[in-house]
Amino acid sequence: GIQVEQSPPDLILQEGANSTLRCNFSDSVNNLQWFHQNPWGQLINLFYIPSGTKQNGRLSATTVATERYSLLYISSSQTTDSGVYFCAVKSTGTASKLTFGTGTRLQVTL
Amino acid sequence: KAGVTQTPRYLIKTRGQQVTLSCSPISGHRSVSWYQQTPGQGLQFLFEYFSETQRNKGNFPGRFSGRQFSNSRSEMNVSTLELGDSALYLCASHRQQLGRLAGYNEQFFGPGTRLTVL
Repeated sequence: GIQVEQSPPDLILQEGANSTLRCNFSDSVNNLQWFHQNPWGQLINLFYIPSGTKQNGRLSATTVATERYSLLYISSSQTTDSGVYFCAVKSTGTASKLTFGTGTRLQVTL
Repeated sequence: KAGVTQTPRYLIKTRGQQVTLSCSPISGHRSVSWYQQTPGQGLQFLFEYFSETQRNKGNFPGRFSGRQFSNSRSEMNVSTLELGDSALYLCASHRQQLGRLAGYNEQFFGPGTRLTVL
């Protein structure tokens, strides 16, 4: 099946810093989503981005489907950005099964 | 618009018991998927239902089963619980696209049910 790798696994930032999270996948996809998991376990939708670039406030994401990677940018980080960020993909022809990466654990300090 | 709801939020069971978890999708969404999250294995796909039919199944033993009702609500059942079944169980719903958009669907997750097996 498709493989999804996220880097870095852990990231510690000071408030106000910028960061880039990466997601590499091993096969063509027709769905790619970025999630933020809050301390209670809920997955919060950040971006649905099988290709192209999107922005939402301080967050933006870019997926280059032909090169099989996606990037999540966080600018001017805040302590509330702390948590785990997951990339999940759906390869073509697999109904709606999402395959998740192992996540990037982000800690933003004052 | 109400989001995906899951009940119960927390459960404590003992080995050998069985458990049923419930998921109500977003109104208008006909597809429901279930995922298991554990510290060791991460987030893994369990199964997907669309129009009361199981469309896809992950690599889990037959003790894990599910169903979907005509109102799109879904339940999953785990029989003969083992310690390793302790996990966060997440349900996701999406609007099933048709035609050339088939497969393009943003999934939305519920808050999860945290199951502890003692």
